[in-house]
Amino acid sequence: AQKITQTQPGMFVQEKEAVTLDCTYDTSDQSYGLFWYKQPSSGEMIFLIYQGSYDEQNATEGRYSLNFQKARKSANLVISASQLGDSAMYFCAMRAPFSGGYNKLIFGAGTRLAVHP
Amino acid sequence: EAGVAQSPRYKIIEKRQSVAFWCNPISGHATLYWYQQILGQGPKLLIQFQNNGVVDDSQLPKDRFSAERLKGVDSTLKIQPAKLEDSAVYLCAGPHCGSGYNEQFFGPGTRLTVL
Repeated sequence: AQKITQTQPGMFVQEKEAVTLDCTYDTSDQSYGLFWYKQPSSGEMIFLIYQGSYDEQNATEGRYSLNFQKARKSANLVISASQLGDSAMYFCAMRAPFSGGYNKLIFGAGTRLAVHP
Repeated sequence: EAGVAQSPRYKIIEKRQSVAFWCNPISGHATLYWYQQILGQGPKLLIQFQNNGVVDDSQLPKDRFSAERLKGVDSTLKIQPAKLEDSAVYLCAGPHCGSGYNEQFFGPGTRLTVL
């Protein structure tokens, strides 16, 4: 069965430091995609970064990078130079195929990040 | 134009009442998703539409929840009758075409409180 596990319910980091949010996944599919979303207290889901299962290089988007270790089935999010505005819930998600040729998105339980000044 | 419109933003009802939520994926894409996000949890897919048809409703509590997407554009999710455990944020999403990643673009959600 397809599953996303985020083992850190909460994390805190000092402003300007880097932080790693953990995500492991379970799938038997060869083709899949991994996403990270940010959800501030206002509630909207904001797409941050994407990694395809066949991508050989780790994805980067500005201060966000994804540490993709396929053999270990992990896709950790690294936020460099944390800012106060990074305080939010962070969700790891996997796009996985299901019957009929369609895809579905499976989310982890999330990690709440608090950035301290 | 990317964007997903949802209404209402907030709704408070008593248990056993009925409620309906509306969603319009402004891009007009064929695929539309409804998620339920209970406080402290990740979103859970309730139903996925492709145009007017349902491609996945395996986690939709069909005894009380229903959804439709007439004309393949906007969609309505209904709960009848509501239970206390239905208190959650209901998110609508559509694919973000043109980004190269085909990530899902979420609306602002409807926060439902069942008393």
